[in-house]
Amino acid sequence: QQQVKQSPQSLIVQKGGISIINCAYENTAFDYFPWYQQFPGKGPALLIAIRPDVSEKKEGRFTISFNKSAKQFSLHIMDSQPGDSATYFCAASPLNTGFQKLVFGTGTRLLVSP
Amino acid sequence: NAGVTQTPKFRVLKTGQSMTLLCAQDMNHEYMYWYRQDPGMGLRLIHYSVGEGTTAKGEVPDGYNVSRLKKQNFLLGLESAAPSQTSVYFCASSWTGFQPQHFGDGTRLSIL
Repeated sequence: QQQVKQSPQSLIVQKGGISIINCAYENTAFDYFPWYQQFPGKGPALLIAIRPDVSEKKEGRFTISFNKSAKQFSLHIMDSQPGDSATYFCAASPLNTGFQKLVFGTGTRLLVSP
Repeated sequence: NAGVTQTPKFRVLKTGQSMTLLCAQDMNHEYMYWYRQDPGMGLRLIHYSVGEGTTAKGEVPDGYNVSRLKKQNFLLGLESAAPSQTSVYFCASSWTGFQPQHFGDGTRLSIL
């Protein structure tokens, strides 16, 4: 049972373009939504996260958009660079468990062409 | 500052063999986690620990055991390895349950 559905599976974007990755969740108890970036041979690293009390969060070129009623959230990478080429995972967690019990999406492999 | 260190980085086992994966963190974090990452399935939580001497089951605990005898170390054991346990295993730690989780670089385990 996939509680967090992520799309697309892979994405190719030209340098300078906008990369958009989408996630949808089912569990209404989720109230923390992070995005992780993973380079080959490395572990995931937290990129940006959002709580459902805001609809958007921006950190540099990375923006999370959150739609609580639709139970969807997305990552936008503005001015995409070759160094952004990595696998991106969305995740979700309830916080009433006492810790971040993360449920991950299946990942999106992003390739930014020079 | 090493952060989260996992050993070994690669290992090949035969079905039925046992082994222990070691995770060590030097950040004095209370919480530690073990995940497995499989193609097309993202990361799934195997076991976690909320402090020294404690362990708890995650989403996919069957076939694994863990121990947290020292605060800085979290061990993941496979008593009788099965091909279905072929995966990349990641350890993570966090200062509290609500702080970001810091991941190690993984152990790639193949079971033949």
